[in-house]
Amino acid sequence: EIVLTQSPGTLSLSPGDRAALSCRASQSVSSNYLAWYQRKTGQPPRLLVYGASIRATGIPDRFSGSGSGTDFTLTISRLEPEDFAVYYCQQYGTSPVTFGQGTRLEIK
Amino acid sequence: QVQLVESGGGLVKPGGSLRLSCAASGYTFSDYYMSWVRQAPGKGLEWVSYISTSATIMYSADSVRGRFTISRDNAKNSLYLQMNSLRAEDTAVYYCARHPYYYDSSNYYKPLYYFDYWGQGTLVTVSS
Repeated sequence: EIVLTQSPGTLSLSPGDRAALSCRASQSVSSNYLAWYQRKTGQPPRLLVYGASIRATGIPDRFSGSGSGTDFTLTISRLEPEDFAVYYCQQYGTSPVTFGQGTRLEIK
Repeated sequence: QVQLVESGGGLVKPGGSLRLSCAASGYTFSDYYMSWVRQAPGKGLEWVSYISTSATIMYSADSVRGRFTISRDNAKNSLYLQMNSLRAEDTAVYYCARHPYYYDSSNYYKPLYYFDYWGQGTLVTVSS
């Protein structure tokens, strides 16, 4: 199965900062089928991006996904207070689908 | 609006059984593949099992194959997970989640294996 490694494990930033979250795959992700989710405490994951770079419905344009092959990035251009959460990547190009271990984005 | 509501979680002894349910509303349930995804305490997300629209295709992770069975009742807009021979490592919050789809150039239904909506989850604890 494809192993996804997210880095950093924890990212400490301030509102207004730019955040770059990395997701690296152990082998190429077929068709760049990579998704990103946001998870807040006590809430289910929320889809942010799919197809590596396509924002899901209702997701603000400060969230952007990029990358291909084995290296992917989720960028949040200007952090809002509500963006501090845990972020997961997921590949869905190869069975079984797999998730990264998450990056915790915390307020500095 | 799309709503997925899980139920049926609880405390069960190792070797025991439990049946989870997920009630769907706000969309045409029978049009979508569905999955169960879990998250153990302090761990990441793990896909468990998926089922096709008409329940003709089911697939499970190696970790649960032979012990867990996914099913659905489109007339009741409901998804289920029958969990048998439970182990301590099955302790987790279990989420039901929906798969989006598209029609390809030949007009064939094509599910996508990411998740566009999730329920709030139900906690399963396996402990003696």
